[in-house]
Amino acid sequence: GDSVTQMEGPVTLSEEAFLTINCTYTATGYPSLFWYVQYPGEGLQLLLKATKADDKGSNKGFEATYRKETTSFHLEKGSVQVSDSAVYFCALYNAGNNRKLIWGLGTSLAVNP
Amino acid sequence: EAGVAQSPRYKIIEKRQSVAFWCNPISGHATLYWYQQILGQGPKLLIQFQNNGVVDDSQLPKDRFSAERLKGVDSTLKIQPAKLEDSAVYLCASGETGQGYNEQFFGPGTRLTVL
Repeated sequence: GDSVTQMEGPVTLSEEAFLTINCTYTATGYPSLFWYVQYPGEGLQLLLKATKADDKGSNKGFEATYRKETTSFHLEKGSVQVSDSAVYFCALYNAGNNRKLIWGLGTSLAVNP
Repeated sequence: EAGVAQSPRYKIIEKRQSVAFWCNPISGHATLYWYQQILGQGPKLLIQFQNNGVVDDSQLPKDRFSAERLKGVDSTLKIQPAKLEDSAVYLCASGETGQGYNEQFFGPGTRLTVL
């Protein structure tokens, strides 16, 4: 079945460091890909999405490019802030197969001042 | 616009007790989801409603979990009796209806601890 694998955390960075959180997927057909963020004490929020190959999703300085050849959707940010400390989830939705959001396990990010 | 509301935010019970969670989705959202999120894992879909009908409850442990969405608006999720392994955050989400993927908007969750 479809699945999502993301890098294990926790990831600890200093403010203004470069961030990469790796995400790879296995799916039939052409899924849509998402990054969700969960700030402490809050619900999940959609951070960005890409619905077809080579699309780049971006929001709040974060970016991720849908790479079908490598089945990846890595999250990047050029300069992290303390306020980016959260748990980040990669997810996919496959309209052609089970029509559910399939989630990664989440990667915890802590940004120190 | 008000977001998805959930209550209570925290609940501590002993095993074999019963517990209920409440969710009020965003106004106008026909689809409502209940997820279970165990610490260190991604959310697991328990049940999906379309208006007041169940679309998917394949991962709902029906021997102890039940959910209803009367009148197609608010929803309650009940666990009876609770087990230790039910300790988790229970997330409610809602979304619009349409072809393909529709963004799900999540509530803050209810953190359940079963002792």
